[in-house]
Amino acid sequence: AQSVTQPDIHITVSEGASLELRCNYSYGATPYLFWYVQSPGQGLQLLLKYFSGDTLVQGIKGFEAEFKRSQSSFNLRKPSVHWSDAAEYFCAVGAVAAGNKLTFGGGTRVLVKP
Amino acid sequence: DVKVTQSSRYLVKRTGEKVFLECVQDMDHENMFWYRQDPGLGLRLIYFSYDVKMKEKGDIPEGYSVSREKKERFSLILESASTNQTSMYLCASSSLAGLDTQYFGPGTRLTVL
Repeated sequence: AQSVTQPDIHITVSEGASLELRCNYSYGATPYLFWYVQSPGQGLQLLLKYFSGDTLVQGIKGFEAEFKRSQSSFNLRKPSVHWSDAAEYFCAVGAVAAGNKLTFGGGTRVLVKP
Repeated sequence: DVKVTQSSRYLVKRTGEKVFLECVQDMDHENMFWYRQDPGLGLRLIYFSYDVKMKEKGDIPEGYSVSREKKERFSLILESASTNQTSMYLCASSSLAGLDTQYFGPGTRLTVL
């Protein structure tokens, strides 16, 4: 069975500083990996996804993520955080062999200090 | 833009009541999903549907049922609501193209008293 771990429940970062959110997954074959963001009072929005190819993936809002097979990780990064990036971030893993279902991590809540 | 709408943003029900949560998508997507979201647990899949009248259990189907009579509409039913079903419920849809992007509704926060 596939699983996802986001080790950090909360992260506080100053505006303008860099941000890295960790995601570790467990799955036997090559997974499909996603990062979603949930702003306060809103549904989830896709930031980026990795299916194959280049292991560094660019997404919306200036985010990027790097797939590292050897570490079973898919960490999300942003070089300079804006106040509007305060939200909850979810990593998810899916697989065709798992019936195209996604398994989500527990989420990381990001607070941005002025 | 894809739009997924949910019938209520907030809902308060009493224990034992039958509860209907409705979800409508306007992108002709084949797949529709119901999740519940709880702090620290992320999203957990309750049921999903890949076609009209088709449904499959997710990871936590107990206490829930679903209905998909039309392609654009996917309903989640709590036959007899219990306090442990107090949660945020999120609906999503995606195309049939493998693991395509899921588009989410704004959620329904259900409180069962």
